[in-house]
Amino acid sequence: NAGVTQTPKFQVLKTGQSMTLQCAQDMNHEYMSWYRQDPGMGLRLIHYSVGAGITDQGEVPNGYNVSRSTTEDFPLRLLSAAPSQTSVYFCATKADYEQYFGPGTRLTVT
Amino acid sequence: GQQVMQIPQYQHVQEGEDFTTYCNSSTTLSNIQWYKQRPGGHPVFLIQLVKSGEVKKQKRLTFQFGEAKKNSSLHITATQTTDVGTYFCAGPEGGGYQKVTFGTGTKLQVIP
Repeated sequence: NAGVTQTPKFQVLKTGQSMTLQCAQDMNHEYMSWYRQDPGMGLRLIHYSVGAGITDQGEVPNGYNVSRSTTEDFPLRLLSAAPSQTSVYFCATKADYEQYFGPGTRLTVT
Repeated sequence: GQQVMQIPQYQHVQEGEDFTTYCNSSTTLSNIQWYKQRPGGHPVFLIQLVKSGEVKKQKRLTFQFGEAKKNSSLHITATQTTDVGTYFCAGPEGGGYQKVTFGTGTKLQVIP
């Protein structure tokens, strides 16, 4: 089992460009989420989903879109990247209370 | 919204010394979880506490949930270099299980 996978591992974007961060899981968990991690600020919830077709906003949703068409995949879209979105992004799934994190995507926006 | 703060932000200890990180929530939590993130890695679940005043141990790690369920602590006895990393507490917002707020984290450095 791969668990939670994320692609790409690293990405550099120019301001205004768009991209999609991919997240996939093979644990058949209904709950999936996206966090961003910035120095000194812990992990902040961007969006989450409790099942296919159901998504909701977290603490910092502005500038990000998500959709959940399958149980396995939960992509995060940046429509127009800004330098403030430079961060490390983690996708996670949850069974009961324990969250399983992917390896992360390090994004730099110049 | 719910805020979860941790102190200290950074801690350097000599190998063999003890270490404690404290977690404080602005709201009462139904449960609290602790995660460890090694440098360059991703957060890994350590434990969950649910009951008021609950204390759980994992080898040299002792976790405690406050009586009012608004604070928690993680104590490591006789630190080792393998303990290096950032420790996060996390709690669900509003009593549900969907929105989980993470603390600001405590970065532990162990000097051999």
